[in-house]
Amino acid sequence: QVQLVQSGAEVKKPGASVKVSCKASGYTFTSYGISWVRQAPGQGLEWMGWISGYNGNTNYAQKLQGRVTMTTDTSTSTAYMELRSLRSDDTAVYYCARDGVTTVTRDAFDIWGQGTMVTVSS
Amino acid sequence: DIQMTQSPSSLSASVGDRVTITCRASQSISSYLNWYQQKPGKTPNLLIYAASSLQSGVPSRFSGSGSGTDFTLTISSLQPEDFATYYCQQSYSTPRTFGQGTKVEIK
Repeated sequence: QVQLVQSGAEVKKPGASVKVSCKASGYTFTSYGISWVRQAPGQGLEWMGWISGYNGNTNYAQKLQGRVTMTTDTSTSTAYMELRSLRSDDTAVYYCARDGVTTVTRDAFDIWGQGTMVTVSS
Repeated sequence: DIQMTQSPSSLSASVGDRVTITCRASQSISSYLNWYQQKPGKTPNLLIYAASSLQSGVPSRFSGSGSGTDFTLTISSLQPEDFATYYCQQSYSTPRTFGQGTKVEIK
């Protein structure tokens, strides 16, 4: 079946980096994109950015520009999200979600990964 | 950025009630409005896309309407499994912004 499976929980110290993976199966990876969404404890959903599974084009939320990098490996149908210079307010559950292959496709997020808890604490 | 504002932030309702949640965009987004349901500790689940299209597998008691800046999610007869938080989201432009959520609680 169509699914996204994410890597496991992480605990990081402030200033460190984290890289979360999202492996797709059950569909043609290069026909879609992946958006990353995070949710701090008790808070709402925050879109972090998008990457095309076709050509690797990216579009990042302005507040994360310079700290976030999204990449893909089409040979394994896996998307990655790396966040650097972690702070305590980066503590959140990080989700990947299937999106359109371009930003103008304007698709909804119809498939979500199970989420990866990232805790930033000294 | 397009701001999405949901109302109410929370509501209490009984099983069988008709529930309506509204979402307003800060500028026109045509019909590029999606609704998600999230239960505690669970992943968000797509209910409605393109303002009024029911996602496959979603019960028909859920419906969506609206275009431009004003949108509505309606649950025609609230069921016990519907108690959750609901989010609207625009897919008209990036950044893909979400509403702040509406928590539906048991009365």
